[in-house]
Amino acid sequence: LAKTTQPISMDSYEGQEVNITCSHNNIATNDYITWYQQFPSQGPRFIIQGYKTKVTNEVASLFIPADRKSSTLSLPRVSLSDTAVYYCLQLYKGNMLTFGGGTRLMVKP
Amino acid sequence: DTAVSQTPKYLVTQMGNDKSIKCEQNLGHDTMYWYKQDSKKFLKIMFSYNNKELIINETVPNRFSPKSPDKAHLNLHINSLELGDSAVYFCASSQRGGSYGYTFGSGTRLTVV
Repeated sequence: LAKTTQPISMDSYEGQEVNITCSHNNIATNDYITWYQQFPSQGPRFIIQGYKTKVTNEVASLFIPADRKSSTLSLPRVSLSDTAVYYCLQLYKGNMLTFGGGTRLMVKP
Repeated sequence: DTAVSQTPKYLVTQMGNDKSIKCEQNLGHDTMYWYKQDSKKFLKIMFSYNNKELIINETVPNRFSPKSPDKAHLNLHINSLELGDSAVYFCASSQRGGSYGYTFGSGTRLTVV
């Protein structure tokens, strides 16, 4: 199974930009990079997905360098409500989504 | 309207019992899944199912069985419950060949005593 590596936890303060980096050294040509967010007592929620370069939506930005062996999820101006677990995943179309341990982000006042 | 709904939200039962968790999706997706999240918060895929194939994670005991009356429903039946089955179970759905995003339900917290 495709495996990603990301920090176990991160702390931040309200209003700061948070960048969570994920390593995926064995990424295959057809794999996409997908990020999910999970709040306590809820199911994971799709945030953003990309293949290369930069993708931006109303929630976050995703930066993927040319070699695609890593990616960075950027959350602009976080608030307390962004406290959650963030999962980085490699996804090949048709395969099952396989989660790693995720990064626990704690946003402090 | 809830896109993926699971019932019950909480389930407390004794060892050895048989129980079912229901899942329904109104997104028109063709594939549904069951995930297990243990006390360490790791999410593990259990089953992937559409009307053509069932894919079973080989680590799932055969006491667990998915049952799909139609493409909008995927129920999880568990026989002879054990203490180690205590976890949060999430149902999810997606459309193969379309968007890669999965939509998850809010989970069922199963406690076996």
